[in-house]
Amino acid sequence: DIQMTQSPPSLSASLGDKVTITCQASQNINKYIAWYQQKPGKAPRLLIRYTSTLESGTPSRFSGSGSGRDYSFSISNVESEDIASYYCLQYVNLPLTFGSGTKLEIK
Amino acid sequence: QVQLKESGPGPVQPSETLSLTCTVSGFSLTSYGVNWVRQPPGKGLEWMGRMRYNGDTSYNSALKSRLSISRDTSKNQVFLKMNSLQTDDTGTYYCTRDRFGVPFDYWGQGVMVTVSS
Repeated sequence: DIQMTQSPPSLSASLGDKVTITCQASQNINKYIAWYQQKPGKAPRLLIRYTSTLESGTPSRFSGSGSGRDYSFSISNVESEDIASYYCLQYVNLPLTFGSGTKLEIK
Repeated sequence: QVQLKESGPGPVQPSETLSLTCTVSGFSLTSYGVNWVRQPPGKGLEWMGRMRYNGDTSYNSALKSRLSISRDTSKNQVFLKMNSLQTDDTGTYYCTRDRFGVPFDYWGQGVMVTVSS
């Protein structure tokens, strides 16, 4: 199984900041990584797939990058509506595996 | 529009079998896959398994011995059955759609399953 090591577990940012979350895979995942946002009591929402492709409706302040084993997800100009947990997912191999999540809070 | 909705039994006793149904609308089960993902309270997401568009199934090896996923395309439903439930199976269970190259683009609202005596 591919392990996804996500960091940091939590993040505190001020409105307008840029924040970055990283995921490292235990092996090369060939850019098959997606990023999800989950607000309390809600289902996750797909934001980005294939490393950097924004889903329809994803604000342009969200971005992703990376290759091989190392990937990152960023939010520029953090807004209050971005308060949520964020998860990476590798989908190159079964079983599909998620990172452990990052909880974003506003200072 | 695309919708998925989970339904299930509510509280379940330890050692019993869990049966959940995912009813979909707005797309065909013969064109898209449906996956099951679960989340223990306050914890992260775990992929459980999937029903592909062509009827093939795949399971997380950690659950494979207890898990079965099936479907009824005429009713637009996908079913999850998991036996020998334990308290650590408590959590929210989601069904979610996938298509080639796009993982989990639509999700159900989730159903809370509590395993308790």
